[in-house]
Amino acid sequence: DAGVTQSPTHLIKTRGQQVTLRCSPKSGHDTVSWYQQALGQGPQFIFQYYEEEERQRGNFPDRFSGHQFPNYSSELNVNALLLGDSALYLCASSSVGTGHTDTQYFGPGTRLTVL
Amino acid sequence: GESVGLHLPTLSVQEGDNSIINCAYSNSASDYFIWYKQESGKGPQFIIDIRSNMDKRQGQRVTVLLNKTVKHLSLQIAATQPGDSAVYFCAEKGGLGTSYGKLTFGQGTILTVHP
Repeated sequence: DAGVTQSPTHLIKTRGQQVTLRCSPKSGHDTVSWYQQALGQGPQFIFQYYEEEERQRGNFPDRFSGHQFPNYSSELNVNALLLGDSALYLCASSSVGTGHTDTQYFGPGTRLTVL
Repeated sequence: GESVGLHLPTLSVQEGDNSIINCAYSNSASDYFIWYKQESGKGPQFIIDIRSNMDKRQGQRVTVLLNKTVKHLSLQIAATQPGDSAVYFCAEKGGLGTSYGKLTFGQGTILTVHP
């Protein structure tokens, strides 16, 4: 049973560029949440997707957008990158539908460095 | 705003000792609490959870205690091992309709276990 997977593992971009991060949820899960974790801090909620729609959003600018596909996988897009966007981006999956669970299981994260 | 915080940022123990990690939360509407363990370079790993209708829950070598009166959560690790060394985060989720899906994390406690 595969857990949550994320790609790529590491990414280096320059200011102003755009980036797309990918996530595949744990088998049987239908909900994907994205978090940003700065060094030495706890994860901060970006948004959550369920049924291909953004269900809840944290305090992040519109430069951060996402998408969920019919197979429940998800993408996080960040436009016009700033130095402050450098962080570990975490994807977590859970289930709202069949087999409901509030527990969010995290992937290994994507380390984004903006130069 | 609402937040989840930790009393102690670091904790050092000897192998075999019991460890207690504390967490305070401020959102009285929170109905679900989770403890995660995060090792360097990895995503948070689920340890144990508890709902607000319980005050104690036990897992393998771990126990979570919830005191709703003082809004306090603790994680007890029995017979702590060097492999338990990591950053521990508590997280909370509000009831449906208040913060559906969103986890709010504390800053984290660094646990170091000395052989």
